[in-house]
Amino acid sequence: GDSVTQMEGPVTLSEEAFLTINCTYTATGYPSLFWYVQYPGEGLQLLLKATKADDKGSNKGFEATYRKETTSFHLEKGSVQVSDSAVYFCALILQGGKLIFGQGTELSVKP
Amino acid sequence: GAVVSQHPSRVICKSGTSVKIECRSLDFQATTMFWYRQFPKQSLMLMATSNEGSKATYEQGVEKDKFLINHASLTLSTLTVTSAHPEDSSFYICSASRTATTGRVYEQYFGPGTRLTVT
Repeated sequence: GDSVTQMEGPVTLSEEAFLTINCTYTATGYPSLFWYVQYPGEGLQLLLKATKADDKGSNKGFEATYRKETTSFHLEKGSVQVSDSAVYFCALILQGGKLIFGQGTELSVKP
Repeated sequence: GAVVSQHPSRVICKSGTSVKIECRSLDFQATTMFWYRQFPKQSLMLMATSNEGSKATYEQGVEKDKFLINHASLTLSTLTVTSAHPEDSSFYICSASRTATTGRVYEQYFGPGTRLTVT
């Protein structure tokens, strides 16, 4: 069935370090892909999305490219800040609008 | 735009009582709303999908008699946890989306969540 797998956390980085959070998916067809961010005690916010192969989603310095050949949608940021500390979820969307989430990756950025 | 609110943000109730959680889309008409449950440090688990004016579709393993979902209008869906027990304590998150006449579902907008604690 359809699924999303993310790299395990927690990920701890120093401020201004480079961030990569790996995400791979299994799906029938070519679903849209998303990255959501969840700050402590809050709901989810859409960070970025890509709707077709080779699309690059970007927002707030974060980027992810929809790679059909490797079924991946890795999240990257060149220089993380303390305020980026949160849990990041990779997700794909099925027909009917149902979202399938990865298990989440907790990011902790130290000053 | 695309703001979704939930009320209450936190609720503590005694075991055996019922609790209602509201999910509202504030600036758009949500034809479809989703209810999720999230345990600490875990991912979101979809509980049910509700379309305005029709019965909710529950995911496998979710008790429909325990988690009553009503989507009476295009801006409001409610989740009622009936006869709550401590194991129902969790973070409940709703999301709302629009559906085009073609059937395509637009992206989901998430509410801020409701922390339920059953004592």
